[in-house]
Amino acid sequence: NIVMTQSPKSMSISVGDRVTMNCKASQNVGNNIAWYQQKPGQSPKLLIYYASNRYTGVPDRFTGGGYGTDFTLTINSVQAEDAAFYYCQRIYNSPTFGGGTKLELK
Amino acid sequence: EVQLVESGGGLVQPGRSLKLSCAASGFTFSSFAMAWVRQAPKKGLEWVATITSGGSNTYYPDSVKGRFTISRDNAKSTLYLQMDSLRSEDTATYYCAIFSGAYWGQGTLVTVSS
Repeated sequence: NIVMTQSPKSMSISVGDRVTMNCKASQNVGNNIAWYQQKPGQSPKLLIYYASNRYTGVPDRFTGGGYGTDFTLTINSVQAEDAAFYYCQRIYNSPTFGGGTKLELK
Repeated sequence: EVQLVESGGGLVQPGRSLKLSCAASGFTFSSFAMAWVRQAPKKGLEWVATITSGGSNTYYPDSVKGRFTISRDNAKSTLYLQMDSLRSEDTATYYCAIFSGAYWGQGTLVTVSS
């Protein structure tokens, strides 16, 4: 079974900063990765699919990258509303989520 | 507008069964694979089950295989999750989602406790 490992587990960032979080797959998954944002009390929201494609309506400050085993989600000029948990997911019949990264604002 | 509305959650004793439903609207339900994802309190997301658009293929992680059954009624645009032999570690909010991840329901809470 493929394991998805996210790092860091949490980060504290100031508004306007640029932040990059990581997702590592235990095996080559090509570009079959999605990224989700989840705020407390809400359902997850799709941000990025197939590693680098921004979903409809997602601000262009969110950028996904990577291929194979190493993936990144970058947020340029973080806004207050970006405080949330972020999860990567392997896109597959048997999808697997990473453990998540908590983004807090200073 | 796409809507996914889960129901059927509640408090259940260990070893008992519960069946969740997810009513879909606003899209052609029969054309999309669907999934159930759960989230234990203060924990991350865990995929629970996937079913193909026609219902012929299903997939489960080892943690629920043999205990949970996903099914669908395309005529009623409804997704189901039959959960048997429930354990305390199954306590979570259960979300239904279009497999692509584009749309999720608001979730239904299942608490397994004596």
